[in-house]
Amino acid sequence: DQQVKQNSPSLSVQEGRISILNCDYTNSMFDYFLWYKKYPAEGPTFLISISSIKDKNEDGRFTVFLNKSAKHLSLHIVPSQPGDSAVYFCAASRADMRFGAGTRLTVKP
Amino acid sequence: NAGVTQTPKFRVLKTGQSMTLLCAQDMNHEYMYWYRQDPGMGLRLIHYSVGEGTTAKGEVPDGYNVSRLKKQNFLLGLESAAPSQTSVYFCASTYRIMNTEAFFGQGTRLTVV
Repeated sequence: DQQVKQNSPSLSVQEGRISILNCDYTNSMFDYFLWYKKYPAEGPTFLISISSIKDKNEDGRFTVFLNKSAKHLSLHIVPSQPGDSAVYFCAASRADMRFGAGTRLTVKP
Repeated sequence: NAGVTQTPKFRVLKTGQSMTLLCAQDMNHEYMYWYRQDPGMGLRLIHYSVGEGTTAKGEVPDGYNVSRLKKQNFLLGLESAAPSQTSVYFCASTYRIMNTEAFFGQGTRLTVV
């Protein structure tokens, strides 16, 4: 029973363009959402988060949008850079933290 | 600044063998977690701990045991390893249990043959 879903296993974008990564969740009790970035042979590292009382949070090139009625969040990266190439995990928390399957982003020079 | 450290980084076990994975954090975090990562499945929570001496089951606890005897350490044990436990294991810690980022170790790649 996967409560957090990332339906796109991979995404490829050109350098300088926007990357949009999507995430859906099923449990309405989640009240905090996070995005993590993971490079090969390393652990995930925190990227950006959003509380359920907000619908947008911005940090430099990264913006997370939350649509609670649709149980959907997205991560926008503008402009995308080759160093952004990694696997991105969406996570949702209440009493513990649940992760999606991840989306592999490739940014081409 | 070590953060979260996992040992070992790699291990190959034979079916039926036992082993313990060690996680150590130096951030004085109360909460610690063990996840496994499998292709197409993301990270799934095995067990977690809300403080020294306490543990709780996550999504996929069967076949694993944990102990938190010291605040900075969280041990994951496999009593009788099975090929289905071949995975990459990540330990994480957080300052509080909700609404906060987690700090992860670098992972342990375990293969059970």
